[in-house]
Amino acid sequence: GDSVTQMEGPVTLSEEAFLTINCTYTATGYPSLFWYVQYPGEGLQLLLKATKADDKGSNKGFEATYRKETTSFHLEKGSVQVSDSAVYFCALSDRGSNFGNEKLTFGTGTRLTIIP
Amino acid sequence: DVKVTQSSRYLVKRTGEKVFLECVQDMDHENMFWYRQDPGLGLRLIYFSYDVKMKEKGDIPEGYSVSREKKERFSLILESASTNQTSMYLCASMGSTDTQYFGPGTRLTVL
Repeated sequence: GDSVTQMEGPVTLSEEAFLTINCTYTATGYPSLFWYVQYPGEGLQLLLKATKADDKGSNKGFEATYRKETTSFHLEKGSVQVSDSAVYFCALSDRGSNFGNEKLTFGTGTRLTIIP
Repeated sequence: DVKVTQSSRYLVKRTGEKVFLECVQDMDHENMFWYRQDPGLGLRLIYFSYDVKMKEKGDIPEGYSVSREKKERFSLILESASTNQTSMYLCASMGSTDTQYFGPGTRLTVL
């Protein structure tokens, strides 16, 4: 079945540091890939997504590139801020042959803390 | 903006009680989902629904049931709450794209 493996946390960085959170996946079909973010006390919200190989998703200074050859979708940001402190989830949606019945498979989440 | 609301942010129940968690979305989305979130396990899908009165089991449906009588409302039911159902419960909805929109979550404690 489908699965997502992401970098174990927690991750603690200083403000303005470079961030990478690794994510790899296994899927039988042609998945879309997502990063969701959960700020303290809130639900998840979509950060970025990519729907096909070599697509790059970007938002709020974060980027991730859909790499089919390495089955990866690593999240990066060049200079993190205290406000980026949150839990980050990698996920995939594999439509396969079940159009209209898409489900998300999530990784376990990576807690990121940014220190001023 | 899509808005998904959940009936309670925090809930405390006793073992054996019947528990209802309500979720409402305002974007006319066909698909709705219930997840539970536990540390180290991420989000796990309990049930989902792709139309009114339709439901499908997710990865961990045992001990739960759902109801979708109206398009905008998706309810999660714990028939007889147990302590191992203490968790954060997240509802989501999805329309014609593959992006899910989440509610703020209900933190349920079963004593």
